[in-house]
Amino acid sequence: DVKVTQSSRYLVKRTGEKVFLECVQDMDHENMFWYRQDPGLGLRLIYFSYDVKMKEKGDIPEGYSVSREKKERFSLILESASTNQTSMYLCASSFPYGLAGDTDTQYFGPGTRLTVL
Amino acid sequence: LAKTTQPISMDSYEGQEVNITCSHNNIATNDYITWYQQFPSQGPRFIIQGYKTKVTNEVASLFIPADRKSSTLSLPRVSLSDTAVYYCLVATPMDSSYKLIFGSGTRLLVRP
Repeated sequence: DVKVTQSSRYLVKRTGEKVFLECVQDMDHENMFWYRQDPGLGLRLIYFSYDVKMKEKGDIPEGYSVSREKKERFSLILESASTNQTSMYLCASSFPYGLAGDTDTQYFGPGTRLTVL
Repeated sequence: LAKTTQPISMDSYEGQEVNITCSHNNIATNDYITWYQQFPSQGPRFIIQGYKTKVTNEVASLFIPADRKSSTLSLPRVSLSDTAVYYCLVATPMDSSYKLIFGSGTRLLVRP
């Protein structure tokens, strides 16, 4: 079974703090993703990475950065947390498109609920 | 990129078949239609994916008409544990991955 783990389930930070969210997957997946989920807005892609040290901006990258030093680990960084970054953050991983057999599946972690005060 | 529209919520009873229809009018030629399920306090979980006609796996069926502008997820004989939010989305292939556009989802409540 694929396992995607996230470092914290719940996190409370103060405005202006630097925040690190960690994600680790154990399936040797090339692709990793960070989403945020807000009521009424579904999931929105922040950043994704298709290889070590490679990253691409998603739909809402402003205020975020990412780091992928090892294949299994993808970190989301909030350089200076703000209250509008209070959200549920979800990490996912997958094989490269077309190499996963009949389907292209993203496997999600349990999420980190971040509150910025 | 294709946007999806699906009902906000649906109610059903145990043992019934549930069909959730999703529209994706501007789906592109290379896009896939994908459904995910999400329980509270968990990440979404892949259910089924298809390109055209009908796909069936051990948990669901996916019906896609020829014009691919809509699709229907069919859950046979639902149980209480199928209460969840179901997302219809379109997966757009990119260079080495694909992009998922999640909508607001359909909240399914299964009653005893």
